[in-house]
Amino acid sequence: GENVEQHPSTLSVQEGDSAVIKCTYSDSASNYFPWYKQELGKRPQLIIDIRSNVGEKKDQRIAVTLNKTAKHFSLHITETQPEDSAVYFCAASPGSGYSTLTFGKGTMLLVSP
Amino acid sequence: DGGITQSPKYLFRKEGQNVTLSCEQNLNHDAMYWYRQDPGQGLRLIYYSQIVNDFQKGDIAEGYSVSREKKESFPLTVTSAQKNPTAFYLCASSIGGQGITEAFFGQGTRLTVV
Repeated sequence: GENVEQHPSTLSVQEGDSAVIKCTYSDSASNYFPWYKQELGKRPQLIIDIRSNVGEKKDQRIAVTLNKTAKHFSLHITETQPEDSAVYFCAASPGSGYSTLTFGKGTMLLVSP
Repeated sequence: DGGITQSPKYLFRKEGQNVTLSCEQNLNHDAMYWYRQDPGQGLRLIYYSQIVNDFQKGDIAEGYSVSREKKESFPLTVTSAQKNPTAFYLCASSIGGQGITEAFFGQGTRLTVV
């Protein structure tokens, strides 16, 4: 089955800096890659996703890049703010048939004012 | 308010007891999922269901059981066979069908063995 590795496990940045979280996956059939943000004690919420026919996708301060050849994808957050502090999860799915999401172990992002 | 609702928010279980966690959605989604979240472990799939009266085991199904008698409901029973049940349990749903789409999560149930 699919295996998703996520790094780093914790990331501390100063407000205004950029943050990058990286994930690798094992199943070459995976073609859907969402990122979820989970604030303390709350539900995970989708912040951005990308499909394998696209190399990069942006939404304001957030961007995701995908390298299918190398089987890795990354989340980029620019101009970080304290409210960006949360745990971020990447996930991967074959996206065909009745498929499920396999999640990475998460990255705790701490943005200091 | 549409969405996916889990109850209770907190649940305490004695050793040897079975407990059932509720998950209800009014999004008209076909697919529903149960995940377990432990510190540093991410989200691990317990069971999932793509259609009423059908469900499949996930990566860590041992000690758990589910039912899917209605499209809106996907309860999870944590049995006494689950040796380490203390965790945060998340239910999710998605439109389903061919191809994965966004999963919407409930607010979670924190289960503690006392």
